[in-house]
Amino acid sequence: AQSVTQPDIHITVSEGASLELRCNYSYGATPYLFWYVQSPGQGLQLLLKYFSGDTLVQGIKGFEAEFKRSQSSFNLRKPSVHWSDAAEYFCAVGAISAAGNKLTFGGGTRVLVKP
Amino acid sequence: DGGITQSPKYLFRKEGQNVTLSCEQNLNHDAMYWYRQDPGQGLRLIYYSQIVNDFQKGDIAEGYSVSREKKESFPLTVTSAQKNPTAFYLCASRPTAGANSPLHFGNGTRLTVT
Repeated sequence: AQSVTQPDIHITVSEGASLELRCNYSYGATPYLFWYVQSPGQGLQLLLKYFSGDTLVQGIKGFEAEFKRSQSSFNLRKPSVHWSDAAEYFCAVGAISAAGNKLTFGGGTRVLVKP
Repeated sequence: DGGITQSPKYLFRKEGQNVTLSCEQNLNHDAMYWYRQDPGQGLRLIYYSQIVNDFQKGDIAEGYSVSREKKESFPLTVTSAQKNPTAFYLCASRPTAGANSPLHFGNGTRLTVT
């Protein structure tokens, strides 16, 4: 079965600084990978996704992520964070299975932005 | 605008009562999902439905029930058998059940049981 690990529960970053959120997955085949963002009390919004091709994918809100098969990672980055980026971020892996193509989420990383 | 509507946003119930959470989508999506979110545990899948009149248990289905009588609706009932029902519940849908199809989420219902 697939699994997703986000090693950092909380990250604090200064406004204007760069941000990198880690995501490691476990899956036997090529995964479908997603990053979502959640503002407090809200649902999740898709930031970006990776299926195949170029391993560096661009998303909304200035985010990008890089798929590294050798490291089983799909880290999310932003060069310069804004106060509005304070939120919780979830990495997810979609896998094909006979029981249904479920999406498995990591535990999330909460990002705090200091002025 | 198309989207997923979850109602109500906040729900309070006494222990021992069943409660039904509403989820309606007008995106014409085939597949719908219910997740439970607890602090520090990410999202855990409760039930999902890939097509009308069919649904499957997710990872934590005990104490929950669903129905999918219409394409646009996927209500979740939290029964008195659910040991720890207080949580944030998220409904989601996607165009197909394909593994590469991203989920679209509603804004959630926060259920508090006392």
